[in-house]
Amino acid sequence: SQQGEEDPQALSIQEGENATMNCSYKTSINNLQWYRQNSGRGLVHLILIRSNEREKHSGRLRVTLDTSKKSSSLLITASRAADTASYFCCTGGTSYGKLTFGQGTILTVHP
Amino acid sequence: NAGVTQTPKFQVLKTGQSMTLQCAQDMNHNSMYWYRQDPGMGLRLIYYSASEGTTDKGEVPNGYNVSRLNKREFSLRLESAAPSQTSVYFCASSEMWQFEQYFGPGTRLTVT
Repeated sequence: SQQGEEDPQALSIQEGENATMNCSYKTSINNLQWYRQNSGRGLVHLILIRSNEREKHSGRLRVTLDTSKKSSSLLITASRAADTASYFCCTGGTSYGKLTFGQGTILTVHP
Repeated sequence: NAGVTQTPKFQVLKTGQSMTLQCAQDMNHNSMYWYRQDPGMGLRLIYYSASEGTTDKGEVPNGYNVSRLNKREFSLRLESAAPSQTSVYFCASSEMWQFEQYFGPGTRLTVT
């Protein structure tokens, strides 16, 4: 089964609104990363949060990590049409060789 | 810098044929990865090379082999292609294992 489960599977909002995506995982992690994928292209790294961190910011992005609940959230503030993409979480597990992507959230931002 | 490059961009194979997907990075990264992406499945790790000279199986290694040719290049080989291997394949690299990954543009493979 997938280590990272994302919620919601799809999100549709208007420009200027905030978008929140969630990622849950099952086993211990070293870190959790978020990536963006525009249709038909490779993934682009957004932010990495380590297991001993609780919150991290990068521009309009805010990531939180709750290791007790095994969950993370990605908040995009003041969304733009250019933010339309799929967003994936990726967990770096503590077990050898564990690096697992979630199934992704499709975000559509309407102008 | 080109980043991570992959060849070919598209490929159609018949069942049973073999092929090698090429990947190269120019960022002097230690770790390299091969993933496949299927609709609704996210990315799944096929093989990885945490450092030059080592390769290890990921989540879905069956039907594939890899070679870390040198620090720059990491190839993925399908010895006998099957329709279940129809997918988009991504190569990625990172400075160290589990660090921020940089992805190539992908190879869209169809096996008939």
